[in-house]
Amino acid sequence: EAGVVQSPRYKIIEKKQPVAFWCNPISGHNTLYWYLQNLGQGPELLIRYENEEAVDDSQLPKDRFSAERLKGVDSTLKIQPAELGDSAVYLCASSLVDLANTGELFFGEGSRLTVL
Amino acid sequence: AQSVSQHNHHVILSEAASLELGCNYSYGGTVNLFWYVQYPGQHLQLLLKYFSGDPLVKGIKGFEAEFIKSKFSFNLRKPSVQWSDTAEYFCAVNEKGSGNTGKLIFGQGTTLQVKP
Repeated sequence: EAGVVQSPRYKIIEKKQPVAFWCNPISGHNTLYWYLQNLGQGPELLIRYENEEAVDDSQLPKDRFSAERLKGVDSTLKIQPAELGDSAVYLCASSLVDLANTGELFFGEGSRLTVL
Repeated sequence: AQSVSQHNHHVILSEAASLELGCNYSYGGTVNLFWYVQYPGQHLQLLLKYFSGDPLVKGIKGFEAEFIKSKFSFNLRKPSVQWSDTAEYFCAVNEKGSGNTGKLIFGQGTTLQVKP
């Protein structure tokens, strides 16, 4: 079974440029998450989708970050414009059932962003 | 706000040594508890989880963890580490019975280096 697929794996851009990350979750997983992982830190939730609906986006900086999950499958995370502090790894994860009901997250390999 | 604290940021052990990584959380309600591992160059993957029942849970590769409710702790243990256990370990907590059951809070991670 294919895992969570993310692209690109690495991206280097100059500040003020836009960037987008793409995620394809495991087939059949209705819950999708975007996490931010800074160097030396644990992942922090940016947004969670249940099918097409963003059910928790309280940690997403909405002035420059946006996300969508059209048709409840693939998702994209966009940053426009990027700032130096956005340099981090952006992780996508998916789960079959809600975490509170014995679910677990399956993570992709992440997209490492460097903003110069 | 709920938080997860991992006491050891960087641990260096020789092969066959015993391992214990500390994890404490701040949430006072009912929780699900997880340990995730990230081997070099790989994605985060589940090591073990606790939802209910026996507070001593066993995971993959000989790891186990004990949930001590009175201490708000979920420490990870392994009696004898191997070089292949070199990785980063993350403790994570999901709160039950709240409106935010889909949110997984991670600790900052512990880097384990096992010397052959």
